[in-house]
Amino acid sequence: ILNVEQSPQSLHVQEGDSTNFTCSFPSSNFYALHWYRWETAKSPEALFVMTLNGDEKKKGRISATLNTKEGYSYLYIKGSQPEDSATYLCAFSGSARQLTFGSGTQLTVLP
Amino acid sequence: GAVVSQHPSRVICKSGTSVKIECRSLDFQATTMFWYRQFPKQSLMLMATSNEGSKATYEQGVEKDKFLINHASLTLSTLTVTSAHPEDSSFYICSARAKDTDPWDYNEQFFGPGTRLTVL
Repeated sequence: ILNVEQSPQSLHVQEGDSTNFTCSFPSSNFYALHWYRWETAKSPEALFVMTLNGDEKKKGRISATLNTKEGYSYLYIKGSQPEDSATYLCAFSGSARQLTFGSGTQLTVLP
Repeated sequence: GAVVSQHPSRVICKSGTSVKIECRSLDFQATTMFWYRQFPKQSLMLMATSNEGSKATYEQGVEKDKFLINHASLTLSTLTVTSAHPEDSSFYICSARAKDTDPWDYNEQFFGPGTRLTVL
């Protein structure tokens, strides 16, 4: 059974603060690491697909890094806004080509 | 683009009845669709993978006779929970992979918004 862990489970930050959270995953048989943003009552929205060790991707104020050798990825949000409030999911894709999800980090940005 | 819808969004049913959940890709053709289940405070767990025109592949521990999956067209997959019991109450969510995607294109999946099933 693959173990994908996300921390923290939940996080409250003030508007304007920068924040980051972690996804750890198996370091063997790595294929891809996905980040999704999931707002309540909506579909999970793909943020990044990361495939290479050392990858760094950016989308506006959100960025992510990848370390496949040690099995972790960080997601950063710079200058958090209330609209960033959501659950952020990571999903590991290994040799089986399926997605194994972490349980998510629930972010609340307080105005 | 790449929109997936799911219907219904919420359903309440009595124990012993069957419930059908539909997953549709609205603006693309999906060769493969996936069904996941999420219990409170837990991660999305893959239940089964369905390929258009063939039988679904179920994950270990998922009863195929209880969770019937049909993927009869490139835009529609259905999950039927047969003889539902309270322990089947959960959040069910589908995803789809586009037909023209290289099968090993990083396994990109597009998700529906999910269905909350409550069995009384």
